[in-house]
Amino acid sequence: DIQMTQSPSSLSASVGDGVTITCRASQNVAIYLNWYQQKPGKVPRLLIYDASRLQSGVPSRFSGSGSGTDFTLTISSLQPEDFATYYCQQSYSLWTFGQGTKVEVK
Amino acid sequence: QITLKESGPTLVKPTQTLTLTCTFSGFSLNTRGVGVGWIRQPPGKALEWLALIYWDDDKRYSPSLKSRLTISKDTSKNQVVLTMTNMDPVDTATYYCAHRSLEVDAFHYWGQGTLVTVAS
Repeated sequence: DIQMTQSPSSLSASVGDGVTITCRASQNVAIYLNWYQQKPGKVPRLLIYDASRLQSGVPSRFSGSGSGTDFTLTISSLQPEDFATYYCQQSYSLWTFGQGTKVEVK
Repeated sequence: QITLKESGPTLVKPTQTLTLTCTFSGFSLNTRGVGVGWIRQPPGKALEWLALIYWDDDKRYSPSLKSRLTISKDTSKNQVVLTMTNMDPVDTATYYCAHRSLEVDAFHYWGQGTLVTVAS
């Protein structure tokens, strides 16, 4: 089984800050890494797929990078609507989610 | 547009079998590459992928839950059914079904989720 580990588990930031979340796979997943955003009581929303491809309709302040085992999600300038929990997910071999990173207001 | 909706019991007793139905519209599960998956989320915890069925009836299961899960489809009804045996209180969660396309191996479209509580 491929395990996904996100860091940090939570972070505090202010509007306008740049934010980076890291996701590490227990083995090589090539570029098959997706990122989701979930707000409390809401359904997860796909932000980025194939490590760096922005899903249609997602603001350009979101970006993803990485390949192999190490990936990052970057929010260039945090907006009020971005406070949420973010999950990475590998789709290289079955599907596995990370444990989530909660982005909170500082 | 693509929509999915989960249905099933909100409360099950320990040791019982859970049966959930995902009813979808806006796509066909006969289309090459398309799949419907199930994902769950215990209250306050992370997402966990459970199972997925492809257009060609190929099935994939989470290794840790494989012995308890069965996924099936009824393309004439646009439905996917998940059964989970031997339910336990730790299985209390919101259960989602989601669409997986040929072009993007990710879950783009999700149902609203259904909360299943396991308690006696």
